[in-house]
Amino acid sequence: ETGVTQSPTHLIKTRGQQVTLRCSSQSGHNTVSWYQQALGQGPQFIFQYYREEENGRGNFPPRFSGLQFPNYSSELNVNALELDDSALYLCASSLVVEDGELFFGEGSRLTVL
Amino acid sequence: QKEVEQNSGPLSVPEGAIASLNCTYSDRGSQSFFWYRQYSGKSPELIMFIYSNGDKEDGRFTAQLNKASQYVSLLIRDSQPSDSATYLCAVNKYNNNDMRFGAGTRLTVKP
Repeated sequence: ETGVTQSPTHLIKTRGQQVTLRCSSQSGHNTVSWYQQALGQGPQFIFQYYREEENGRGNFPPRFSGLQFPNYSSELNVNALELDDSALYLCASSLVVEDGELFFGEGSRLTVL
Repeated sequence: QKEVEQNSGPLSVPEGAIASLNCTYSDRGSQSFFWYRQYSGKSPELIMFIYSNGDKEDGRFTAQLNKASQYVSLLIRDSQPSDSATYLCAVNKYNNNDMRFGAGTRLTVKP
């Protein structure tokens, strides 16, 4: 157990809808990163939040957005869902921004029909 | 060329053998290197990290880094069936959380 919790664990949406995924980071960790993992692939970096500000972004369109709250929990929002957005969405917390030692939650599996 | 490349496997070894997992990366400026293990249906968990050229040992696991060859490997000694999982190589390019993962190598350890 990493202490990182995500919700919901599974959800099904249809094309064009919007989704919000939530993450509570491990106690004491002020940095949260979000990753997308398609079936059979490694995780892909979406973005990172540090002290409530976006602090780095991968190659994802603006319809992927996020928030970090004062208690370091975080949300990932995806608008105008596409079929290719079907994936496991992983939240990972770390102790410091520069730290590649990530502690992953169990993920939210999104299916877009 | 993918940023981080791994053989997808599956790699099958008998119990007690050494499993050798390999990874190459494209960006010569990459700073730090990680191995994550991912059981089926679960999230990745960190096994080891290595920053400097050479070997780093932790129990049955040894990570090896050769920056000149842009090559990282993970050796698992005395492999156990519980080691059966997908092993993800990850490279941290900028010393932030922008980790570039390979697609993973699926390892099966047969009793």
